[in-house]
Amino acid sequence: KAGVTQTPRYLIKTRGQQVTLSCSPISGHRSVSWYQQTPGQGLQFLFEYFSETQRNKGNFPGRFSGRQFSNSRSEMNVSTLELGDSALYLCASSFGQPKETQYFGPGTRLLVL
Amino acid sequence: DQQVKQNSPSLSVQEGRISILNCDYTNSMFDYFLWYKKYPAEGPTFLISISSIKDKNEDGRFTVFLNKSAKHLSLHIVPSQPGDSAVYFCAASARSTSGTYKYIFGTGTRLKVLA
Repeated sequence: KAGVTQTPRYLIKTRGQQVTLSCSPISGHRSVSWYQQTPGQGLQFLFEYFSETQRNKGNFPGRFSGRQFSNSRSEMNVSTLELGDSALYLCASSFGQPKETQYFGPGTRLLVL
Repeated sequence: DQQVKQNSPSLSVQEGRISILNCDYTNSMFDYFLWYKKYPAEGPTFLISISSIKDKNEDGRFTVFLNKSAKHLSLHIVPSQPGDSAVYFCAASARSTSGTYKYIFGTGTRLKVLA
């Protein structure tokens, strides 16, 4: 089975721009979660989508949004980029049942200049 | 408010010895805990988990211990190998008000196993 894939792997943007990141989950997985990893902050939960609906949300501003398509692929969008948005963005997929192991993609490294 | 804390940002251990990585949490509602390992330029990979109804779970060289009264869990790696050098994250989950679960991760501990 193919793992979780994320595109692009690297991205450079400037302040004020917007960016869209993509995540394809493992086949059969219906839950996709997004995390932001920055040095010293660990993995901060952004949101989770299940069957095209946002099921959980972390404490990030409204500039961060996401969506999930009928094939479970998910996109994350960040509008009006700030320097502090520079981070590794990880997505993780699972079947969507409680207390399940999540499987992570390699991440998209975003640099905001 | 960091609900899951890994107070040691780094740890160095000699090959063949035991590595002990620690994690503390504050939310008594957490009922499922996981450890992930992360190599540079890769996503975290699942290592081992433990439910709050247990106090120990073992898988090969990896053992996780849970002390609920102290709100503390630890990961033991015996014997440590150079390939274990990575960043280790602990994570905890609790049922949210919507009835679903979400995971809270610690800040990670960088383990270096010296040959």
